[in-house]
Amino acid sequence: DVKVTQSSRYLVKRTGEKVFLECVQDMDHENMFWYRQDPGLGLRLIYFSYDVKMKEKGDIPEGYSVSREKKERFSLILESASTNQTSMYLCASVPNPRQGYQETQYFGPGTRLLVL
Amino acid sequence: AQTVTQSQPEMSVQEAETVTLSCTYDTSENNYYLFWYKQPPSRQMILVIRQEAYKQQNATENRFSVNFQKAAKSFSLKISDSQLGDTAMYFCAFHIYGGATNKLIFGTGTLLAVQP
Repeated sequence: DVKVTQSSRYLVKRTGEKVFLECVQDMDHENMFWYRQDPGLGLRLIYFSYDVKMKEKGDIPEGYSVSREKKERFSLILESASTNQTSMYLCASVPNPRQGYQETQYFGPGTRLLVL
Repeated sequence: AQTVTQSQPEMSVQEAETVTLSCTYDTSENNYYLFWYKQPPSRQMILVIRQEAYKQQNATENRFSVNFQKAAKSFSLKISDSQLGDTAMYFCAFHIYGGATNKLIFGTGTLLAVQP
C-alpha cells in the first residue's frame, strides 16, 4: 500500500512565525502536491513538484514556498504565517503516467494549521 | 479554464437507501479522467471510483457507480444501499490526460450524512 505521511495532524502557530509542513511518501512517486482545503472552496493547489529540486506554482502560491531535496520528501514553508493561512493542508503524490495510464493521487492524512 | 462544479453542498440519506451526488465539469479537451474521492471525518482522502473519458461504459465499484454523460459534461456518483460508513465529504475531480502536469482540479465537495 502506498503510504503518504505528514509530520503533524494539528499545529498551532503565532502570526509571523516560520512554519514547516513535511510530507513523505514511500512509493518512489515522481510527483508531489500541496493543497489547501477550506470549507466551500474545495481543494486548491498551492505548489507541486514533478522531480527532485523541481517545483511549479499552483493556483494559490502567494505566501508559501516549497522544498524538494529528496524524492520522497516535499516540504511546504510558510515564510511568515498569517491568520488567513489557517486551514487544512493536504499532501498528495502520484507516479508519472506509464504507458498511457494515469494513476490516481494518494493523499496524506492532512495537517490542520491554526495561526493565532 | 477547466472547472468542476458540485452544486449540492450537503446531502442526507437514510441507511440502506440510494443517493446520487452530482458533478459537472467544463473543458474543451477530449481525453481526460474523472474521479470521485471520499474524505471521512478526520480520516484520509481515498479514491472511490474513476472514469476514463474515452470509455462509454460507466464505471462501477461495488455499491458505487457513476453516470457519465460526456456530451452534457456530467459525472454523477450513485451510492446504493447506503451505510453509516459512507458518511463523508465527497469530492469530484478532473484530470487532463497527457497534459503538462498531473494536476487534479477539484470541486467544492458534497457533505453526505447517512442517517440510521
